[in-house]
Amino acid sequence: GENVEQHPSTLSVQEGDSAVIKCTYSDSASNYFPWYKQELGKGPQLIIDIRSNVGEKKDQRIAVTLNKTAKHFSLHITETQPEDSAVYFCAANRRYNQGGKLIFGQGTELSVKP
Amino acid sequence: GAVVSQHPSWVICKSGTSVKIECRSLDFQATTMFWYRQFPKQSLMLMATSNEGSKATYEQGVEKDKFLINHASLTLSTLTVTSAHPEDSSFYICSARDPMGGGSRSEQFFGPGTRLTVL
Repeated sequence: GENVEQHPSTLSVQEGDSAVIKCTYSDSASNYFPWYKQELGKGPQLIIDIRSNVGEKKDQRIAVTLNKTAKHFSLHITETQPEDSAVYFCAANRRYNQGGKLIFGQGTELSVKP
Repeated sequence: GAVVSQHPSWVICKSGTSVKIECRSLDFQATTMFWYRQFPKQSLMLMATSNEGSKATYEQGVEKDKFLINHASLTLSTLTVTSAHPEDSSFYICSARDPMGGGSRSEQFFGPGTRLTVL
């Protein structure tokens, strides 16, 4: 079955610096790759996603890149702010009509120091 | 955007009792809902997929007789933890997929979670 590996498990940056989180997946049929931000005691919130027919997507300070050949995708956060501190999860999914279900990475605890 | 709610947000119960958690899609009809469990400092693990009007599909290792799922309407799915024990203490999160949504139909919208503590 699908397996998603996420690195690093913890990441500490200074406010204003960039943060990069990387994930690899095993199922070549996966074609949807969302990223979630989870604050303590809350459910995950979708922050950005990318589909397999796109190599890069950007939304203000957040960007995601996808390399289908290498089966890895990355989250990039620029100009980090203390409120970016949270746990971030990547996930991979097959198409919904192929029995798709989200498989999550292990999570990255991001700490942005003022 | 699509909103999913859960009730209760937290619950404390005695060992051996049953607890029901509700998951509602507030502004869309969800033919498919998902139930996840998350232990502290760990990732989300899919427990089961709930389809409206049919039996839930459980992931390997999840006891269907212990975690009863009912998806009786397009906006409500319930998870009942039967005969709960301390090891069932966890954060339970549901999500729903909006088949008519403008975005990807693979996108899942997550509820805020329910913290279950079994004494």
